[in-house]
Amino acid sequence: EMQLLESGGGLVQPGGSLRLSCAASGFTLTNSAMTWVRQAPGKRLEWVAGIRGNNDVTYYADSVKGRFTVSRDNSENTLYLQMSGLRAEDTAIYYCAKYPDYGGALYYIDSWGQGTLVTVSS
Amino acid sequence: DIVMTQSPDSLAVSLGERATINCKSSQSVLYSSNNRNYLAWYQRKPGQPPKVLIYWASTRESGVPDRFSGSGSGTDFTLTISSLQPEDVAVYYCQQYYTNPPHTFGQGTKLEIK
Repeated sequence: EMQLLESGGGLVQPGGSLRLSCAASGFTLTNSAMTWVRQAPGKRLEWVAGIRGNNDVTYYADSVKGRFTVSRDNSENTLYLQMSGLRAEDTAIYYCAKYPDYGGALYYIDSWGQGTLVTVSS
Repeated sequence: DIVMTQSPDSLAVSLGERATINCKSSQSVLYSSNNRNYLAWYQRKPGQPPKVLIYWASTRESGVPDRFSGSGSGTDFTLTISSLQPEDVAVYYCQQYYTNPPHTFGQGTKLEIK
């Protein structure tokens, strides 16, 4: 059975850094298109970052560009989101999610993890 | 970025009745070369992550009950639940994936039982 398990969330001060991990099981992360989506309290779902499955090209929302980096470790079958320069508005539940196999393209999301809470506050 | 706007923001429907949720995109998400609308619908129940119901605007995900259907093209889309069941209480989101990311979501529609 395919599973995505996020970890690494927590409380961090403004300007701080945090690395989220997403351990994948039941499938191989290599060549899978993956993404991070977040939802702040009372806000809509926000697509944050994604990585293509065939060439590891990455994409970012304007709100996190230059501060967040998405990467994967195929040997660990784990996806990461390195976050720096954190702001109060980054407070949200962060979901790791997977795209179906369309040759590595980022289309609709077919599987989600349970999410990990990131709180940015002093 | 493409802006996705859903209506209504909340909806109360009696059990067994039809529920209709609308989604409008600020530009067309129809790709003319393959005649596909790059639009998905998700359901989010309390305490759970979202779950895809419909993709390519009208293709039902495997395992999704056939009371759920998607329609529309270009900029205007509809999610219809033909006969509301108690387990359908959730927030529903549309998302476009027409452009290169970011792939924007609608603000969500909260569906309740009347």
